[in-house]
Amino acid sequence: GAGVSQSPSNKVTEKGKDVELRCDPISGHTALYWYRQSLGQGLEFLIYFQGNSAPDKSGLPSDRFSAERTGGSVSTLTIQRTQQEDSAVYLCASSERQGLADTQYFGPGTRLTVL
Amino acid sequence: GIQVEQSPPDLILQEGANSTLRCNFSDSVNNLQWFHQNPWGQLINLFYIPSGTKQNGRLSATTVATERYSLLYISSSQTTDSGVYFCAVGGAKTSYDKVIFGPGTSLSVIP
Repeated sequence: GAGVSQSPSNKVTEKGKDVELRCDPISGHTALYWYRQSLGQGLEFLIYFQGNSAPDKSGLPSDRFSAERTGGSVSTLTIQRTQQEDSAVYLCASSERQGLADTQYFGPGTRLTVL
Repeated sequence: GIQVEQSPPDLILQEGANSTLRCNFSDSVNNLQWFHQNPWGQLINLFYIPSGTKQNGRLSATTVATERYSLLYISSSQTTDSGVYFCAVGGAKTSYDKVIFGPGTSLSVIP
């Protein structure tokens, strides 16, 4: 079956613009995670959706970052007023069941470059 | 917050050799995971192992929570094992609260 997909694969934007990154999890997976990976900060957890519960936003770096998950499926990560330090690869993962013990399946990532 | 260290930072192995990667953390944790990122950037979740020992094929992991470390064992290494291995720890059992990643161990397996 299809894995986790992310779009766009690459995004170049100007400082101050808003961007939307999309994640399509594996069908039927109840948990969805966003991470980012940058040269300066390494791998960072951003936000976690578990079923219909309120998302765990503890990893979001600032209030310019927000995420939604509509209908328990597709998720969108929005970055407002982008800054150069937002440049990174943004990774999405999903897992079948709720709970941390379940295997996460990762998408290929979106490479964001802020000029 | 919790500090996570990994060692060694870089490792080169001959194909067929065994290796042990270590993850040290500075505080009690209820969540510990190992990940592998291949040279093309694809991440794979290897183990969820807040305590005890698990095995999956040539890979196994042990976490000694009371001593604040975890070990990842790779036996009979293959070139496909190359990449970066990350451990990630978190303090809360029921949420992903404050998950912190280590800096990674970069492994190169040469034929």
